Amino acid sequence: GAVVSQHPSWVICKSGTSVKIECRSLDFQATTMFWYRQFPKQSLMLMATSNEGSKATYEQGVEKDKFLINHASLTLSTLTVTSAHPEDSSFYICSARSSGTYEQYFGPGTRLTVT
Amino acid sequence: QQPVQSPQAVILREGEDAVINCSSSKALYSVHWYRQKHGEAPVFLMILLKGGEQKGHEKISASFNEKKQQSSLYLTASQLSYSGTYFCGTWDSGNTPLVFGKGTRLSVIA
Repeated sequence: GAVVSQHPSWVICKSGTSVKIECRSLDFQATTMFWYRQFPKQSLMLMATSNEGSKATYEQGVEKDKFLINHASLTLSTLTVTSAHPEDSSFYICSARSSGTYEQYFGPGTRLTVT
Repeated sequence: QQPVQSPQAVILREGEDAVINCSSSKALYSVHWYRQKHGEAPVFLMILLKGGEQKGHEKISASFNEKKQQSSLYLTASQLSYSGTYFCGTWDSGNTPLVFGKGTRLSVIA
């Protein structure tokens, strides 16, 4: 199966700082990437959808100025949490899909803790 | 719209069978099943496309009834390694993302 990596696996940052999370498709071209957030014992909630070279489409209730998404190439998307606060602490998971396929592959996730 | 999964949780003894259901209020093109272990990302199990597909791998199989907009995941002769939370993800078309149900927590005990 296709491989998606995320970096870092976990990060602890202080309130008010910004954190960047990278998502890479290692062996396929990801024309579309999705960013999800998951709180403990809850389902995956979609934050935004990004297509390579285009602006991301954010789900209702997700602040685009706070969660900056860049999908600069067919293998890399980044999520930057700006001015992080403790309530942003969560498990962030990216997912990628190649054009013309049905499968959506997930990265291993990044656990963000804001102190 | 978020698909509805049932049951919310189930406890099995090793060797027992289980069925997890997933239903949607809208027409679907495909249903995707994932298993997530605590602290890890979801792992892809299988995808079913419209056309009344059924498929399986070893002791885990699934069916998709597109007319009823329902899918079921069947786990037979469960093993301890089957424990985790199972999510169904539904996809209706185009470039839309998967929408996940709330998950079914499966615990297999010895």
